[in-house]
Amino acid sequence: EPEVTQTPSHQVTQMGQEVILRCVPISNHLYFYWYRQILGQKVEFLVSFYNNEISEKSEIFDDQFSVERPDGSNFTLKIRSTKLEDSAMYFCASSESEARFAEAFFGQGTRLTVV
Amino acid sequence: GEDVEQSLFLSVREGDSSVINCTYTDSSSTYLYWYKQEPGAGLQLLTYIFSNMDMKQDQRLTVLLNKKDKHLSLRIADTQTGDSAIYFCAESMRTGGFKTIFGAGTRLFVKA
Repeated sequence: EPEVTQTPSHQVTQMGQEVILRCVPISNHLYFYWYRQILGQKVEFLVSFYNNEISEKSEIFDDQFSVERPDGSNFTLKIRSTKLEDSAMYFCASSESEARFAEAFFGQGTRLTVV
Repeated sequence: GEDVEQSLFLSVREGDSSVINCTYTDSSSTYLYWYKQEPGAGLQLLTYIFSNMDMKQDQRLTVLLNKKDKHLSLRIADTQTGDSAIYFCAESMRTGGFKTIFGAGTRLFVKA
């Protein structure tokens, strides 16, 4: 069964460092998303991406965040200078098309710990 | 603004039905979802309903949507211990691209 793969599963970084979270969406999917879940809190939408550009982003997704599809298979989330409050589980998701948006598949998540 | 509310805990006995409720605020929702999250795992899409539907049934799962009251429920028949997890209600709407708003999750405890 196709799946969204995220690496690493857990990343620990020092405050102020840059991190890159990686995702490999399902191969024929065209729409990509990042969400985060701070421990004990809601899952929050960060950004959606289609056709090599951001199609929607939340107020959380400020200048510290960026996304990229550097090649045909990876989709990355970069946090330039991490803060303690960036500690969360980050989920990548992908969907085949807008018409099938509801059937977005989520990865297992990357737990980011900023110390 | 957009918000999704759900109760935090539900405890049922094995074999009973579970009903998890959710309310949402945005009437322009396109889809409404139920996701399941087991400890340490990702989000698993259980089922979704298009906003112009009232009900959807899928094996042990029944989703009811009351659009007038902006109320969504998930009924799990014959609840099993393996159903113990956090259940997230979510809605999505199109604002440029699509974005999905999640509730805080309902933790379902199933007692043997």
